[in-house]
Amino acid sequence: EDQVTQSPEALRLQEGESSSLNCSYTVSGLRGLFWYRQDPGKGPEFLFTLYSAGEEKEKERLKATLTKKESFLHITAPKPEDSATYLCAVQEATGTYKYIFGTGTRLKVLA
Amino acid sequence: GAVVSQHPSRVICKSGTSVKIECRSLDFQATTMFWYRQFPKQSLMLMATSNEGSKATYEQGVEKDKFLINHASLTLSTLTVTSAHPEDSSFYICSASRWDRHYYEQYFGPGTRLTVT
Repeated sequence: EDQVTQSPEALRLQEGESSSLNCSYTVSGLRGLFWYRQDPGKGPEFLFTLYSAGEEKEKERLKATLTKKESFLHITAPKPEDSATYLCAVQEATGTYKYIFGTGTRLKVLA
Repeated sequence: GAVVSQHPSRVICKSGTSVKIECRSLDFQATTMFWYRQFPKQSLMLMATSNEGSKATYEQGVEKDKFLINHASLTLSTLTVTSAHPEDSSFYICSASRWDRHYYEQYFGPGTRLTVT
């Protein structure tokens, strides 16, 4: 069965304390892996798409990487405004174009 | 680009009434839209896939007669919660799918908070 697991479930960091969030996946074939940020009471905001192992993408303090089994979202020198829930989703290579979402990582950055 | 809107953002209704939620892609055409439900501190649960001009595909366990989906145009999909009950109270989010060379990316609306009293 296709599955997406995110860890940790929750993470508290001091401002400036870099860390990484993990997204492990099991799918029969990967078309793409997507990272989103979600603030409370709002819809997910698109961050990155990765579709081949070894690929990396960066945006400000965030960097996403992809291997054949997992993806990491690295946060460098986070600020309080980076506090949010980070969701990862995978899209299968065959069948429908729907996403399979992980359960998310709730990040809190303390000033 | 890739902006998706939802209306209303919040709605309160009485038990037994029906509520319609609209999802629009504002600056691109979306042949496929998705409807999700999200409970507090949980991830998004896919309810159905909506294709323009055809019937929606519902996920297992989602009542198609209760959650009516219509995808009337390339920029509009609607979700109607019929005969709503308190257990239908939730955060409903739609997304619109856009092809980007290798894959379909989904862009999400801001969500609709439904409260059934």
